[in-house]
Amino acid sequence: NAGVTQTPKFQVLKTGQSMTLQCAQDMNHNSMYWYRQDPGMGLRLIYYSASEGTTDKGEVPNGYNVSRLNKREFSLRLESAAPSQTSVYFCASSTGTDSGNTIYFGEGSWLTVV
Amino acid sequence: AQSVTQPDIHITVSEGASLELRCNYSYGATPYLFWYVQSPGQGLQLLLKYFSGDTLVQGIKGFEAEFKRSQSSFNLRKPSVHWSDAAEYFCAVGEGGGGADGLTFGKGTHLIIQP
Repeated sequence: NAGVTQTPKFQVLKTGQSMTLQCAQDMNHNSMYWYRQDPGMGLRLIYYSASEGTTDKGEVPNGYNVSRLNKREFSLRLESAAPSQTSVYFCASSTGTDSGNTIYFGEGSWLTVV
Repeated sequence: AQSVTQPDIHITVSEGASLELRCNYSYGATPYLFWYVQSPGQGLQLLLKYFSGDTLVQGIKGFEAEFKRSQSSFNLRKPSVHWSDAAEYFCAVGEGGGGADGLTFGKGTHLIIQP
């Protein structure tokens, strides 16, 4: 039962470095999401992809880019990391249909920018 | 824009006591509402969801929630908590397509269980 798998689980970056967070789901879901979680802030949506080939900005997209590589994979890229991007990142997926839509989350990626 | 408020940042409950976690939402249309739980160092697990129909929703682990449109609330309840219920709880509201465009989360309520 893999579900939603994200890599890496932990990463330390220097300011200005770039990196890509990888995410894959094996549930044949249409929609995929990237959230960030900060203390006292809950989860905030960075980007989402309602279907293969489409991506849309969420609440906090600045400083990030995404790629929906295929139906399974949705990556998040930090082109020039900043300390404000220190956070826990969660990838998620869902069927994307009107009824019964449940969003399933990965286990998170802890990113520290120094 | 939609929003979710969880008024209680921390709640402490004795083991075996009842629990109610509050959630208020702001959304123009019929909301799609969710409660998730997060254990330390883990991802989020869905407890229950409301899309339509019966306003009292049953979930996993003995939790239930009641949708009250007049109060814009979706409070989570459990009649008797267990030590394993200690976690962070998040209420969320979904946009179009039942949340297919992503969920808006509250800031969470940290539940502490006293022995």
